[in-house]
Amino acid sequence: TQLLEQSPQFLSIQEGENLTVYCNSSSVFSSLQWYRQEPGEGPVLLVTVVTGGEVKKLKRLTFQFGDARKDSSLHITAAQPGDTGLYLCAPQRNQGGKLIFGQGTELSVKP
Amino acid sequence: DARVTQTPRHKVTEMGQEVTMRCQPILGHNTVFWYRQTMMQGLELLAYFRNRAPLDDSGMPKDRFSAEMPDATLATLKIQPSEPRDSAVYFCASGLRVNYGYTFGSGTRLTVV
Repeated sequence: TQLLEQSPQFLSIQEGENLTVYCNSSSVFSSLQWYRQEPGEGPVLLVTVVTGGEVKKLKRLTFQFGDARKDSSLHITAAQPGDTGLYLCAPQRNQGGKLIFGQGTELSVKP
Repeated sequence: DARVTQTPRHKVTEMGQEVTMRCQPILGHNTVFWYRQTMMQGLELLAYFRNRAPLDDSGMPKDRFSAEMPDATLATLKIQPSEPRDSAVYFCASGLRVNYGYTFGSGTRLTVV
């Protein structure tokens, strides 16, 4: 069983602040996905990272896959209330397609 | 936009009753997942199918839960008999390949009293 840790568990910040959330494991992954879940809805895919060291940007969100493909981070610049939600990482160990999620980071951005 | 449709959205039932949740995956998607989400456990994988064949149902309590795909347009998750500890939001997701990401439905909120 892979051990997957997301941190912090909860984060409450003011609009305009920057933040970083982390997804860490001792296992090597073939790829990793980040999802965001809003209340009352299912998770929605934000990005897939595949290559060690890869950086992807989605507007104010920057995703990085660790060089060793064991960890990932999500950085949000100038957070807005619309960024509020549960951020989940989902690493994959092989191409079998099984999707296992971390516990998530609950982000609240106050106006 | 293509979407995964789950029914019902909400279900309240008494302990011991049978509960059936349904999912219509996106047309053409060959992989279907069932997840359960609670505050304590987060998103837990219950079962998943590829091309309608079950690949892994190790996350599912076998004595009371069953998951099937009678055809490519319908996945079902059944609980019999239901217990209060089954109260959770149940999500279905479908997709083609893991790197393309999976699309989730809006979930079925189950309350067993």
